[in-house]
Amino acid sequence: EPEVTQTPSHQVTQMGQEVILRCVPISNHLYFYWYRQILGQKVEFLVSFYNNEISEKSEIFDDQFSVERPDGSNFTLKIRSTKLEDSAMYFCASSERPRQGAGEQYFGPGTRLTVT
Amino acid sequence: TQLLEQSPQFLSIQEGENLTVYCNSSSVFSSLQWYRQEPGEGPVLLVTVVTGGEVKKLKRLTFQFGDARKDSSLHITAAQPGDTGLYLCAGLYNFNKFYFGSGTKLNVKP
Repeated sequence: EPEVTQTPSHQVTQMGQEVILRCVPISNHLYFYWYRQILGQKVEFLVSFYNNEISEKSEIFDDQFSVERPDGSNFTLKIRSTKLEDSAMYFCASSERPRQGAGEQYFGPGTRLTVT
Repeated sequence: TQLLEQSPQFLSIQEGENLTVYCNSSSVFSSLQWYRQEPGEGPVLLVTVVTGGEVKKLKRLTFQFGDARKDSSLHITAAQPGDTGLYLCAGLYNFNKFYFGSGTKLNVKP
């Protein structure tokens, strides 16, 4: 069964460093998302991406964040200068066709980012 | 802004009991999804409801979407210890953005 994959599973970085989190969405999906989940808290929407551009972003997704689809398979989230409060699980998700109303999302296993 | 209110936050019941989890909002959603999340893992999709009033069944789980597409419920019949986990609802807003509820942590005691 096709699945969303994410690498690395765990990333430890120092405050102020740049990190890139990688995702490979399900191959025939067209919509891609990033979420984060701070330990013990709810899953928070960061950004949605379609047709090589951002469709929607939350107030969390400020200038420190960027997303890219550098080739036909990868979808990346970059945090330019990490802060302690960026420590969280980051989930990538993809879906086929939310514009037709259903929008089943399939989530990857997540990357645990620890900023020290 | 808390777009989706999920209740209860915690639920501890005995095996064999029934339970209902609620997901409420003042906003209309294009669709609503229910997920289950295990610690340290990504949410796993259980069901999507799209039409107002829609009811879907998945074995002992019954999902309902409110007529106005603003609320949803998950009912589990004869809960089993294997149902223990975190249940999340998520609403698709404006076809582009998903809002998650804060989750219901269910513990089913044998």
